[in-house]
Amino acid sequence: GESVGLHLPTLSVQEGDNSIINCAYSNSASDYFIWYKQESGKGPQFIIDIRSNMDKRQGQRVTVLLNKTVKHLSLQIAATQPGDSAVYFCAETGANSKLTFGKGITLSVRP
Amino acid sequence: ETGVTQSPTHLIKTRGQQVTLRCSSQSGHNTVSWYQQALGQGPQFIFQYYREEENGRGNFPPRFSGLQFPNYSSELNVNALELDDSALYLCASSPSQGEAFFGQGTRLTVV
Repeated sequence: GESVGLHLPTLSVQEGDNSIINCAYSNSASDYFIWYKQESGKGPQFIIDIRSNMDKRQGQRVTVLLNKTVKHLSLQIAATQPGDSAVYFCAETGANSKLTFGKGITLSVRP
Repeated sequence: ETGVTQSPTHLIKTRGQQVTLRCSSQSGHNTVSWYQQALGQGPQFIFQYYREEENGRGNFPPRFSGLQFPNYSSELNVNALELDDSALYLCASSPSQGEAFFGQGTRLTVV
């Protein structure tokens, strides 16, 4: 069946360092991928997305990389800040806009 | 802010009762989806509505039902509540396939 999973449950980084969060997906028919950030008591917040016809997309301090060959997605956060501390989810979808989420990884930023 | 609001923010119900959760989507977003997020897990797709018709359903029993209204509001109804229904319920609206905007969620506790 479909599944989207994250390799590690937690990630601790020093403030100012770069963070890399990895994700594997199994549905090769997915054509749209999104990274969400979820803070305690809030709904998921869109960070960045990428379509399957691209392999890299950059935003402000964030970069998403897509490797369709191995069905791998990663989120890179440059100069990680305390405000980046949250749970991060990757999600994939196809034509029906149904999102399939992974379990989430907690990013903890050490001051 | 995502422009998606949910009510109530917290709710406590007794096992066997029925509950209605509400969502107000962004104007112009014809697609609304509902997700259940258990503690420590990623959101799980319940169902999606497009122009007031159900347009996809996840692995949830029929006692989970929904409605979408012309004014971009929607409801999630759950009958015969069970303890395992305790979760954060999220509403997400989309203009089409693409970025989904989430509300802050309704925390349902079944006792």
